[in-house]
Amino acid sequence: KAGVTQTPRYLIKTRGQQVTLSCSPISGHRSVSWYQQTPGQGLQFLFEYFSETQRNKGNFPGRFSGRQFSNSRSEMNVSTLELGDSALYLCASSLISFGGLNEQFFGPGTRLTVL
Amino acid sequence: TQLLEQSPQFLSIQEGENLTVYCNSSSVFSSLQWYRQEPGEGPVLLVTVVTGGEVKKLKRLTFQFGDARKDSSLHITAAQPGDTGLYLCAGGYGDMRFGAGTRLTVKP
Repeated sequence: KAGVTQTPRYLIKTRGQQVTLSCSPISGHRSVSWYQQTPGQGLQFLFEYFSETQRNKGNFPGRFSGRQFSNSRSEMNVSTLELGDSALYLCASSLISFGGLNEQFFGPGTRLTVL
Repeated sequence: TQLLEQSPQFLSIQEGENLTVYCNSSSVFSSLQWYRQEPGEGPVLLVTVVTGGEVKKLKRLTFQFGDARKDSSLHITAAQPGDTGLYLCAGGYGDMRFGAGTRLTVKP
C-alpha cells in the first residue's frame, strides 16, 4: 500500500502571499489531520477532516484553512503568510476506529519557508 | 486540553547503553502512541498501547502504559546509532496531542 504523500516537499514564499499544500492519504483512510511543526512549539494540531467535514480544529488563526475532497485527498491553505508560518507542515491519515484507537500515518511533510 | 510532558528533552549516550524516556500527563488517555521522527521526515508510528499496565516489545524497544493510563515509558536496550531520532508520544482522539519529544543521539 502506498503511504501518505504530500506535495510539494519544499516551498518558498514571501510575506503576504498565500499557499496551498496537498495531501493524499493511504487508500481506505478517511480521516486526514494536519499539523504544524516548529523547533519552538513542536508538533501542533491544526485540523482534522473526516468524510469532507472538519471535525476538529486546533488553536490557529482563521488564515489557516483546509478542505477534504470526496476521494479523501485534502488541501490546506494559508493566506497572508507571516514569517512565523515557516514550518514543516505534516499531514497524517488514519483508519478511524471507534474503539478509541487513532493511529496516524504521516507523510514526509512540506517544508514552508516564508521570506 | 490534554497535555503530554516528555522527559528528558535531550539524551546523548554511547552505543550499547540502555535508556528510558517518559511521557506523563494529568489526564487519562484511552490509548497512547509512540512515534520516531528523523530529520526532514514525518513521524513513524512505533507502537500503540491501550490497556493500563500493558507492556509491548518491539525488538530492543519496550513500551509500557501506566496502570492509570496517564503515563507511558519507552525503554531501549543496547542502543544503536540507528536509534537516533526524535521520540514523540501522542494521545487523543480526533485532535491528537503530541509531547514535545525526546531527542536521542546514540554515538558509535
